[in-house]
Amino acid sequence: NAGVTQTPKFRILKIGQSMTLQCAQDMNHNYMYWYRQDPGMGLKLIYYSVGAGITDKGEVPNGYNVSRSTTEDFPLRLELAAPSQTSVYFCASRRAGDTGTGNTIYFGEGSWLTVV
Amino acid sequence: AQRVTQPEKLLSVFKGAPVELKCNYSYSGSPELFWYVQYSRQRLQLLLRHISRESIKGFTADLNKGETSFHLKKPFAQEEDSAMYYCALSVSGGSNYKLTFGKGTLLTVNP
Repeated sequence: NAGVTQTPKFRILKIGQSMTLQCAQDMNHNYMYWYRQDPGMGLKLIYYSVGAGITDKGEVPNGYNVSRSTTEDFPLRLELAAPSQTSVYFCASRRAGDTGTGNTIYFGEGSWLTVV
Repeated sequence: AQRVTQPEKLLSVFKGAPVELKCNYSYSGSPELFWYVQYSRQRLQLLLRHISRESIKGFTADLNKGETSFHLKKPFAQEEDSAMYYCALSVSGGSNYKLTFGKGTLLTVNP
């Protein structure tokens, strides 16, 4: 069981370039999330999705876009990369349900992105 | 809006000493609280959730609704406990299915 898989693991972008961070989960989870992790700042939610075709903004959505055409995939797109987007990005997923194991969020291994 | 506060950015203890990582939250309803751990350059993984009232790797955490706290404790720290620890809050119900994280506490256990 692969869980949550993110690609690429590492990427260096030039200012103004665009790229897509891929995220896939094989647990049939309804909910998927993108977080960014900055030193001393913890994790900030960028976008999330409660199911295929439904996405919503988190705390820090500016500069990013997402889509959720299937239950399994939740790609994050950076259209015009800026140095402020240098960060570690984590994708996560969770099964629907309010209590018990349904509320456990599973994380991918992270994608280290540097914008120069 | 919900908020999670971890007052200590860094915490350093010696092996065998007790350790307590503090977490306070603010939310008017009934939250669900979690502790996540991130070992060096690894993914975040769930350590504890309050509804399970379990002990994982010797760690326990009790939800204190009066003090709005969910402190993580271990009586005897081990070097392998060195990691980043995040407290997180989940608001259940409605469409608000997301975790709010604290800023994290970096625990270093010295030999």
